[in-house]
Amino acid sequence: GAVVSQHPSRVICKSGTSVKIECRSLDFQATTMFWYRQFPKKSLMLMATSNEGSKATYEQGVEKDKFLINHASLTLSTLTVTSAHPEDSSFYICSAGRTSKGFFGQGTRLTVV
Amino acid sequence: AQTVTQSQPEMSVQEAETVTLSCTYDTSESDYYLFWYKQPPSRQMILVIRQEAYKQQNATENRFSVNFQKAAKSFSLKISDSQLGDAAMYFCAYRRNAGGTSYGKLTFGQGTILTVHP
Repeated sequence: GAVVSQHPSRVICKSGTSVKIECRSLDFQATTMFWYRQFPKKSLMLMATSNEGSKATYEQGVEKDKFLINHASLTLSTLTVTSAHPEDSSFYICSAGRTSKGFFGQGTRLTVV
Repeated sequence: AQTVTQSQPEMSVQEAETVTLSCTYDTSESDYYLFWYKQPPSRQMILVIRQEAYKQQNATENRFSVNFQKAAKSFSLKISDSQLGDAAMYFCAYRRNAGGTSYGKLTFGQGTILTVHP
């Protein structure tokens, strides 16, 4: 079946540095991918829609310059957290799919120290 | 904008018994999908069951079934013969039918933490 792979699963970075998270569709092409953020025991909140070959669409309240999204190919979207701060620590999940069925990556636990 | 509401932050059930998780949603659209996702401690999102709004028949997947009431905008999940492995956080989610081959964004409810007692 279709699989979405997310990497890394965990990352710790120092405050002020940037971190890149990758989301790959392994056996299908995804013109659109989605990035969500989740706090512990809370719901998933959509951050942005990643569109292959064009600019991402950000949800209201999400800083575009803080969370850079690149969707350079039909199988890869990346989320870069720039100048990370402790408040950016969270769980980030991507999803992609085709027709009515979507798939989620394994998620990335980001800790900014 | 669409909203999804899960009014039960936590639920518990004895092993082998049945539990129902509630979900209501609000939308002005007529063509959409509803989902229940399970998120175990690993935090991997697992699709439990899916319902297409234009189908009147309630979806079932083994021990999991839904009660879809379109007019009332209600979408509850029933877990029969609960097992210890069912313990997880459950999310109800809405997605408009984007058509074509693209998969659309999901709007999630707040989640319900299900505990299964042996």
